[in-house]
Amino acid sequence: SQKIEQNSEALNIQEGKTATLTCNYTNYSPAYLQWYRQDPGRGPVFLLLIRENEKEKRKERLKVTFDTTLKQSLFHITASQPADSATYLCALYSGGYQKVTFGTGTKLQVIP
Amino acid sequence: DAGVIQSPRHEVTEMGQEVTLRCKPISGHDYLFWYRQTMMRGLELLIYFNNNVPIDDSGMPEDRFSAKMPNASFSTLKIQPSEPRDSAVYFCASSLAGKISYEQYFGPGTRLTVT
Repeated sequence: SQKIEQNSEALNIQEGKTATLTCNYTNYSPAYLQWYRQDPGRGPVFLLLIRENEKEKRKERLKVTFDTTLKQSLFHITASQPADSATYLCALYSGGYQKVTFGTGTKLQVIP
Repeated sequence: DAGVIQSPRHEVTEMGQEVTLRCKPISGHDYLFWYRQTMMRGLELLIYFNNNVPIDDSGMPEDRFSAKMPNASFSTLKIQPSEPRDSAVYFCASSLAGKISYEQYFGPGTRLTVT
């Protein structure tokens, strides 16, 4: 069966360090993968998209990698700040018109 | 633009009652999605529309759930009759075909509690 796995345990890191979040999937062949940020009491907010033929994508302090052989995406936040504390969701294109399936998310806590 | 607008923000109802959630997508967007989020199951797609036409409703849990999009600026998700297990946060999102990031813009959500 299809599965998207993100670390269910919260990730705590010190301010200034690089945070690395993982998204693993099985039985998908996604044409693209997205990352969203969700703050408590709010809807998810889009951050980045990476396509299957792209190895890496960067946006400011964010970097996403996509390894279709390992079936894994890594999401990095460099020089992390307390304001980066949130839940981060990966979403895989799963066919049809813009249909994506979301992972359950990883909660990141950046400690000052 | 005001973003995606959802109402009500909170809804508390008793089991067996009808619940109607409302969504106004971003003007000009041609896709509209309804999601449900719980701690146990995460964010699940219920149904989505393209140009007001339902494209995929395979995520609708059962016949108690129905969704309509009578025009490009309004959609409803109805639960009748509601049950305690329907308690969740319901999100509406919209997107624009042709935008290369395929990003979805989410509303603030409706927190539904069924007692």
